[in-house]
Amino acid sequence: GQQLNQSPQSMFIQEGEDVSMNCTSSSIFNTWLWYKQEPGEGPVLLIALYKAGELTSNGRLTAQFGITRKDSFLNISASIPSDVGIYFCAGRLNTGNQFYFGTGTSLTVIP
Amino acid sequence: DTGVSQDPRHKITKRGQNVTFRCDPISEHNRLYWYRQTLGQGPEFLTYFQNEAQLEKSRLLSDRFSAERPKGSFSTLEIQRTEQGDSAMYLCASSLRSQGHEQFFGPGTRLTVL
Repeated sequence: GQQLNQSPQSMFIQEGEDVSMNCTSSSIFNTWLWYKQEPGEGPVLLIALYKAGELTSNGRLTAQFGITRKDSFLNISASIPSDVGIYFCAGRLNTGNQFYFGTGTSLTVIP
Repeated sequence: DTGVSQDPRHKITKRGQNVTFRCDPISEHNRLYWYRQTLGQGPEFLTYFQNEAQLEKSRLLSDRFSAERPKGSFSTLEIQRTEQGDSAMYLCASSLRSQGHEQFFGPGTRLTVL
């Protein structure tokens, strides 16, 4: 299957700091989704991206569809303790409806 | 409707037993997906339905696994002759074809095979 590499694997930051994470692939995707997952729960959709170069915001979250279509980025501004969780990217190829998920970035926010 | 629901939330079974999980998608969502997630990994695609038709199946879905969506609404995932390697979180997601590919997940069923 497709490999999506997320970086960094984990982050420990102070409350109020900004966060950046990314997701890269060797394949070209035409849809990127970003999710947040908390322990014992299913992933919650944060942002959906459909066009190369697209920049989309959801509150303090901003995600971008990379222009090469092989990567995507998620930024969180002014982090707060409830931002704690694992953030996953998911990409879809041109063919099919299957999404491939990254390995996740674990975020810890220190009050 | 508050979202995708899954039942049970937890299942403990002995190796060799059969288990069945249920997923109720968001009302009127015509697409339904099953994923498996193991500790420290992202969800892995298992299968996908559009209405009652099963359109895609992953190679991960061995012949011990079967999924159905008989009336295009809820879906069931059955695992026969469970193995310890089947222990994982089984996630269901749904989407509406006219709203792109945004998938909304349920809370998952945690399976432990002893």
